[in-house]
Amino acid sequence: DGGITQSPKYLFRKEGQNVTLSCEQNLNHDAMYWYRQDPGQGLRLIYYSQIVNDFQKGDIAEGYSVSREKKESFPLTVTSAQKNPTAFYLCASSQTEISYEQYFGPGTRLTVT
Amino acid sequence: DAKTTQPPSMDCAEGRAANLPCNHSTISGNEYVYWYRQIHSQGPQYIIHGLKNNETNEMASLIITEDRKSSTLILPHATLRDTAVYYCIVGVGSWGKFQFGAGTQVVVTP
Repeated sequence: DGGITQSPKYLFRKEGQNVTLSCEQNLNHDAMYWYRQDPGQGLRLIYYSQIVNDFQKGDIAEGYSVSREKKESFPLTVTSAQKNPTAFYLCASSQTEISYEQYFGPGTRLTVT
Repeated sequence: DAKTTQPPSMDCAEGRAANLPCNHSTISGNEYVYWYRQIHSQGPQYIIHGLKNNETNEMASLIITEDRKSSTLILPHATLRDTAVYYCIVGVGSWGKFQFGAGTQVVVTP
């Protein structure tokens, strides 16, 4: 089955630690995205990538970093500089950046204490 | 990209049609209207999109007013599995520029 996988589903970290969230897609999509969602809120864009080895900051990139070394992978690192990292993180992909449909993964719920 | 306004919540009886409104009064001529939904603790799912004409697929119908300043998503026969947050998004071009608002929480009751 084609789709997007995110792992793990739940992640717990101590404050001050960097943590990397995994996102893999086997849809052969060029574009990939990372969103953050807080309780009762909509999705906010962290970073997106239109093509391998290229990515752009979204609305809330501070305290996060990404890489896009392979077409199918777009890992997100939440650094210790992110002041409020506890949130639900969603990865998505689309055929191209202007495709009408984004496909979302199941999400990773990160809790930092 | 244009902003959208949606009611924060609405209830619907199972088996009845659910009509979800969205205002986008500042929409420009080439911007599309997209609808996605998010079941609790899952990733959002694409429902439908349109530019000017009304659209229908196996999930829903999209009615866009002639002046394009508002639209309505219609779930023709709501089921309990349609309970979700529904997002109306307006834009054109890169998804990197689109905005997901808070959406409408729809609760379908037996």
